[in-house]
Amino acid sequence: DTAVSQTPKYLVTQMGNDKSIKCEQNLGHDTMYWYKQDSKKFLKIMFSYNNKELIINETVPNRFSPKSPDKAHLNLHINSLELGDSAVYFCASSQARKNEQFFGPGTRLTVL
Amino acid sequence: GNSVTQMEGPVTLSEEAFLTINCTYTATGYPSLFWYVQYPGEGLQLLLKATKADDKGSNKGFEATYRKETTSFHLEKGSVQVSDSAVYFCALSDSGGSNYKLTFGKGTLLTVNP
Repeated sequence: DTAVSQTPKYLVTQMGNDKSIKCEQNLGHDTMYWYKQDSKKFLKIMFSYNNKELIINETVPNRFSPKSPDKAHLNLHINSLELGDSAVYFCASSQARKNEQFFGPGTRLTVL
Repeated sequence: GNSVTQMEGPVTLSEEAFLTINCTYTATGYPSLFWYVQYPGEGLQLLLKATKADDKGSNKGFEATYRKETTSFHLEKGSVQVSDSAVYFCALSDSGGSNYKLTFGKGTLLTVNP
């Protein structure tokens, strides 16, 4: 009965590779988010989708491309991975016009 | 733009000690304020929230009061336990249109020793 789930939990890859992280929520929420947590634990929003439409796109390199096939899923595809992409990526969801967000367990990405 | 400033820590306390983690914010309009907690190896969990001035959020013995005059939302607990050891994040939500974006502080690592 996991509310917000992410796969994989850990991802280790080489520089230059392309990888995807998947997120699913079973809360019936309309809005989903991706956040990046760096090595100092600082959290910053990357993207937000509302009903499959991109709403927030912070200053994220265009190597990062979110995809929302339906409102329960928001995947993150990263091209040409760089060392600086190493971080923990959190997915979150909320009901539209509600400000409480529910977070997934995170995906720890390590780029070697 | 919006910003959140909180005590960076780390904070180390003995069990049953009093805890305060300071948080101040800068925002336009009237944001909602939150404290999230991240236990080791886990995702973020909402600890408490307040949506308007003078509201007090409380949960699991933790409290924080939304102070508009001082733009603060300090987290307090009267008697901490070892199980409270975690990273605590203060955050505000910006109701940009139909979406709410969370802006986080840098997090405060709390370690409680028995």
